[in-house]
Amino acid sequence: AQSVAQPEDQVNVAEGNPLTVKCTYSVSGNPYLFWYVQYPNRGLQFLLKYITGDNLVKGSYGFEAEFNKSQTSFHLKKPSALVSDSALYFCAVRVGVRNDMRFGAGTRLTVKP
Amino acid sequence: DGGITQSPKYLFRKEGQNVTLSCEQNLNHDAMYWYRQDPGQGLRLIYYSQIVNDFQKGDIAEGYSVSREKKESFPLTVTSAQKNPTAFYLCASSNAGGWAGELFFGEGSRLTVL
Repeated sequence: AQSVAQPEDQVNVAEGNPLTVKCTYSVSGNPYLFWYVQYPNRGLQFLLKYITGDNLVKGSYGFEAEFNKSQTSFHLKKPSALVSDSALYFCAVRVGVRNDMRFGAGTRLTVKP
Repeated sequence: DGGITQSPKYLFRKEGQNVTLSCEQNLNHDAMYWYRQDPGQGLRLIYYSQIVNDFQKGDIAEGYSVSREKKESFPLTVTSAQKNPTAFYLCASSNAGGWAGELFFGEGSRLTVL
């Protein structure tokens, strides 16, 4: 089955340090992978996606993600974290005939001043 | 501005009552989706629609119903048959058939059963 997994429920980093939020995928065929961010009591906002091409994808708010086919991973990264980056982050993959999006359980990122 | 509007933002329901959550989009997207969000479980698909007058069940459709009479609108009814309806509900849209396309989400509706 097409799915993504986020192995960490919580990630804590200090402001100014680099951050990584992990995602692994299980997909037959070419994966279409996405990252979203959610602030409290809000809808999800799209950050970036990998469809094809360059393995390093750049997105909104200084975020980027690296697609690694051999490790079946799509980790979200940012060189220097901000307190305002604190939120819930979701990795997702497009699935099958339904063309819907299947989401990971989410990772709560906390950036401390 | 183009986007998705969900209403109401907060809703309280007594047990045994049906409630309808509104979702309207002006993005001219063909596909629309309803997700349910519970703490620690990510998002689960309730119903989706790829085109007007057609919709399909998702993973957790029991106790819910939808309609798609207009391209812009995809209301969700939470019926009394839904055993645990307290949750955060998210509506989304995208271009149908667009595997590369991301979902656009509304701001969500939080339903609490009293």
